[in-house]
Amino acid sequence: EILMTQSPATLSVSPGERATLFCRASQSASSNLAWYQQKPGQAPRLLIYGASIRATGIPARFSGSGSGTEFTLTISTLQSEDFAVYYCQQYSSWPPFTFGQGTKLEIK
Amino acid sequence: QVQLVQSGAEVRKPGASVKISCKASGYNFTNYYIHWVRQAPGQGLQWMGVLNPGGGGTGYAKNFQGRVTLASDTSTSSLYMELSSLRPEDTAIYYCARGGEHGVADSNWFDPWGQGILVTVSS
Repeated sequence: EILMTQSPATLSVSPGERATLFCRASQSASSNLAWYQQKPGQAPRLLIYGASIRATGIPARFSGSGSGTEFTLTISTLQSEDFAVYYCQQYSSWPPFTFGQGTKLEIK
Repeated sequence: QVQLVQSGAEVRKPGASVKISCKASGYNFTNYYIHWVRQAPGQGLQWMGVLNPGGGGTGYAKNFQGRVTLASDTSTSSLYMELSSLRPEDTAIYYCARGGEHGVADSNWFDPWGQGILVTVSS
C-alpha cells in the first residue's frame, strides 16, 4: 500500500500571495497523482491529475508538479475562494487507492 | 454533463445495515469504474472500494472487506453500496465518484463526485 503524506497540515497565507502544498508518497507513484479541493459542506473537486494536468475548468493559477514520490501543488495568486482543504491521491498502485490526510489552506 | 446524484441521508442503529444509491448520467455508464469514498466528521477521505459497472468486478479496501458490497443496475445507471454490521464509527458522509475509463491505463482519478450522503449510526 502506498502511503501519502501531506505537509503542512495547515497553511496560513494572505490573499494575493502564493501557496505551495506538498505531498509525499511512501513509494513511487510515477505521475499517477491527483489533487482535490474540498470546501465546507461540499464534495471534493478534481483540480489536477497526472501530477500536472489541470482538470476542465480549473483556473491557470493552480499548477501541479513532481513525479515519483514528491509532488507539489502551487496556487500562484490566492483568491478568496481558494481557501479550502486540499487532498492528494495516488492511483498508481491499487487497491487501495490512497489519499493524503489533507492540507487546510486558511486566510492569514 | 456528467453527473452523479446520491440518495438522501440515513440513520441506523448499531448492528444494522444501510444501502445507499448513486445515479449516473451524462456518459456511457458501463465504460467507467465507480468508486466509493467516505469521510468521517472532521476527518479526511477514505477509499472503500471500486466497481466495474460493465463487468460487475469489484475491489475493496481491507478495512471494509466482508462488510461492504458494491453493485450496479445497468438498466437504470444506478450504483449501490451496502455496508453491514454498522458501528458508531461508521458515521460519515459517503461519496460515489467516477473513476477511470476501461482500457485506459493510469486513469483512475475521481471526477466527478456525488454530493455525498450522511449516514448516522446511533442507538
